Amino acid sequence: DTAVSQTPKYLVTQMGNDKSIKCEQNLGHDTMYWYKQDSKKFLKIMFSYNNKELIINETVPNRFSPKSPDKAHLNLHINSLELGDSAVYFCASSQTSGTHEQFFGPGTRLTVL
Amino acid sequence: GQQLNQSPQSMFIQEGEDVSMNCTSSSIFNTWLWYKQDPGEGPVLLIALYKAGELTSNGRLTAQFGITRKDSFLNISASIPSDVGIYFCAGQPNTGTASKLTFGTGTRLQVTL
Repeated sequence: DTAVSQTPKYLVTQMGNDKSIKCEQNLGHDTMYWYKQDSKKFLKIMFSYNNKELIINETVPNRFSPKSPDKAHLNLHINSLELGDSAVYFCASSQTSGTHEQFFGPGTRLTVL
Repeated sequence: GQQLNQSPQSMFIQEGEDVSMNCTSSSIFNTWLWYKQDPGEGPVLLIALYKAGELTSNGRLTAQFGITRKDSFLNISASIPSDVGIYFCAGQPNTGTASKLTFGTGTRLQVTL
């Protein structure tokens, strides 16, 4: 009965590779987000999609490309991975009507070697 | 990007003690949220506040939305070992479609027996 799920949980890869992280929510929400948490635990929004439409893009390098095939899924593809991309990436979702509270997934720890 | 200032940065307390932490911003927010993050997990919503001056409780947790709308406080009464974790405040500037959350710097709580 996981509300927001992400795969994989851990991802270890070499510099220069391309990788994807997947996110799915079964809460019926219409808005989904990607956040990055660095080694100091700072959480920062990267992207937000509402009904498959990009609505927030927070000055993220264009090596990062989110894709939302439907409103229950938001994937993150990263090209040409760099050492500085190592972080924990969290997916979240919310509903625009009502309280807008955001619910987070368990995170994907990305390590770039 | 903006980050909210949380204090204290970390706390070491004994089981049974009460805990207070706060969050301040240079900007006004219309919604304040408090999250807790356990190691290896995503942030979990504890309390949401929607009106200036609002005081809301969730079990042993009580949070307040500051009158100026630029701050919020979280209190935990009679702490127990499972309260250990990182507590984040988060503010939302508006209730529109793009409900961008700005997170605080976090308060790391350690509880000793």
